Amino acid sequence: DTAVSQTPKYLVTQMGNDKSIKCEQNLGHDTMYWYKQDSKKFLKIMFSYNNKELIINETVPNRFSPKSPDKAHLNLHINSLELGDSAVYFCASSRPGTSTSNSPLHFGNGTRLTVT
Amino acid sequence: GENVEQHPSTLSVQEGDSAVIKCTYSDSASNYFPWYKQELGKRPQLIIDIRSNVGEKKDQRIAVTLNKTAKHFSLHITETQPEDSAVYFCAASPGSKLTFGTGTRLQVTL
Repeated sequence: DTAVSQTPKYLVTQMGNDKSIKCEQNLGHDTMYWYKQDSKKFLKIMFSYNNKELIINETVPNRFSPKSPDKAHLNLHINSLELGDSAVYFCASSRPGTSTSNSPLHFGNGTRLTVT
Repeated sequence: GENVEQHPSTLSVQEGDSAVIKCTYSDSASNYFPWYKQELGKRPQLIIDIRSNVGEKKDQRIAVTLNKTAKHFSLHITETQPEDSAVYFCAASPGSKLTFGTGTRLQVTL
């Protein structure tokens, strides 16, 4: 039973198109994230939501818009796709951190986006 | 914000030898330091973590050490096996935002 599931696993599309990636977690966590992993394997945070509220928004182009309909779901919509958007996008979840504690991230299996 | 540096970027060891990966962090408020293993084509998975009130933690062949004064922490894998081959990421967090290192590709050769 997958704890963090994201769809689709692979996404191949042309420049200029709009696409969405969906993520769901059944761990009961309050916090969800989108990370981008580029071809050099760098893992960079894009967004973080805590109980449907946006709490982290890194310097990501406006073409990327996350949406969290409830605390178990965090979707990512990308407008006007560009070649540089090609990467693996990982959804993750965790219990919320406090000033004195953190909890591990649980990653989904990733969505490999290829823009041609 | 937090900046995490990780070395080496690639590491090749013979089966049975030890492997050490080192990370430094910049934010003295960071208090949580997890390590993730990512096998080819798979998701990163937590293998061990340490909090700032602890200097060392062990789990079978894996150990992590933390030096808060110097702001560095290390992953030690003993008696390496071929299945240890993967990319390893360190990370640091002062709160809910985790910043990852650039990764170390570990290759264990027979």
